[in-house]
Amino acid sequence: GAVVSQHPSWVICKSGTSVKIECRSLDFQATTMFWYRQFPKQSLMLMATSNEGSKATYEQGVEKDKFLINHASLTLSTLTVTSAHPEDSSFYICSAFDREYQPQHFGDGTRLSIL
Amino acid sequence: AQSVTQPDIHITVSEGASLELRCNYSYGATPYLFWYVQSPGQGLQLLLKYFSGDTLVQGIKGFEAEFKRSQSSFNLRKPSVHWSDAAEYFCAVGAQGNAGKSTFGDGTTLTVKP
Repeated sequence: GAVVSQHPSWVICKSGTSVKIECRSLDFQATTMFWYRQFPKQSLMLMATSNEGSKATYEQGVEKDKFLINHASLTLSTLTVTSAHPEDSSFYICSAFDREYQPQHFGDGTRLSIL
Repeated sequence: AQSVTQPDIHITVSEGASLELRCNYSYGATPYLFWYVQSPGQGLQLLLKYFSGDTLVQGIKGFEAEFKRSQSSFNLRKPSVHWSDAAEYFCAVGAQGNAGKSTFGDGTTLTVKP
């Protein structure tokens, strides 16, 4: 149980385009989803926390207008990188959480490469 | 605020040898503690978790960890390492009422020698 699907797993696109990444909890309802960014050989950096039906809470230093997060249902959250540039290239990981005394469940990540 | 320190950036062990990865946390109350493993290009897989109760926790793949409140530690152990255990290991700390939000350590890279 507790499967989180993240799609796409890899995307390459031109500078200036927008990219949407989906995160779905397949067999449970996620009250909270988290979005992380991970640079090579580094830990996870929390970007934002999203709760279904409400605005995401962004960490300090993360541009809200650059990284749009939508949490439309208890099983789906999306991260849209708007007007992406090469410096946005990174590994993005989502996780989902449903209730107390449970860990976060992670997706397999999305490798984003902006040319 | 909570924080996590993984003192060892990189550890190399021989296949079949025992392993211990260190994790120290800082948190005022009883923490929730987790160990995750990440293979290259993949997400994180939960190895084990501690919320309360027995301080020795058994996880998947033969791993265990022991919560020591007096030392603020949650070290991960495995008696005999396999080549497939080579990966990045992250310790994380959370808290009751924090809606699942966790703070992650910087990770320890495990290399297994044949």
